[in-house]
Amino acid sequence: AQKVTQAQTEISVVEKEDVTLDCVYETRDTTYYLFWYKQPPSGELVFLIRRNSFDEQNEISGRYSWNFQKSTSSFNFTITASQVVDSAVYFCALRGEGNRDDKIIFGKGTRLHILP
Amino acid sequence: KAGVTQTPRYLIKTRGQQVTLSCSPISGHRSVSWYQQTPGQGLQFLFEYFSETQRNKGNFPGRFSGRQFSNSRSEMNVSTLELGDSALYLCASSLAGFKNQPQHFGDGTRLSIL
Repeated sequence: AQKVTQAQTEISVVEKEDVTLDCVYETRDTTYYLFWYKQPPSGELVFLIRRNSFDEQNEISGRYSWNFQKSTSSFNFTITASQVVDSAVYFCALRGEGNRDDKIIFGKGTRLHILP
Repeated sequence: KAGVTQTPRYLIKTRGQQVTLSCSPISGHRSVSWYQQTPGQGLQFLFEYFSETQRNKGNFPGRFSGRQFSNSRSEMNVSTLELGDSALYLCASSLAGFKNQPQHFGDGTRLSIL
């Protein structure tokens, strides 16, 4: 069975601090896809990034960066120099390419508070 | 380009009633998925439709059903409503239903059961 664990339910940091959101996954598929979504207080989930299992390159997009490590089944998300607008719930998600059970699985989410 | 549109935004029903929620995907998107979001259970997958066919179904009772029309618009129906059905129901669309494609979410329908 597939599983996504976001162990941090809630994090609070002061503005301009760096913060890392953890995501650990389980899957038996050899090909799979990992996603991060942001859900601001307005409610709409916004897609941030996708990572394919066969591409272990880390990625940086402005203040956001993602660290994908297959050896530890982790796909962590770091916000550098956090801003109040980063306050949201962040979800990590997994979808396998296999036919057995290929629906997308979301973690429980991490609620991030950026304090001014 | 218009995003995913869900109607209505808010709904109040009583136990035993039934409800139909609507979702219009982004133009050109053929895959539509539905999720239930609650504080306790998080985001749970309900079902996925592609080209009017249900491709995947989550672990929800048969009271939850859906369908997709030829224009890719989708509806979700819940019959015999229970208090536990109170939740935010989210619809998401993707371009062609490939598993590596990100989903684009609507604002959701907040359903309250009295």
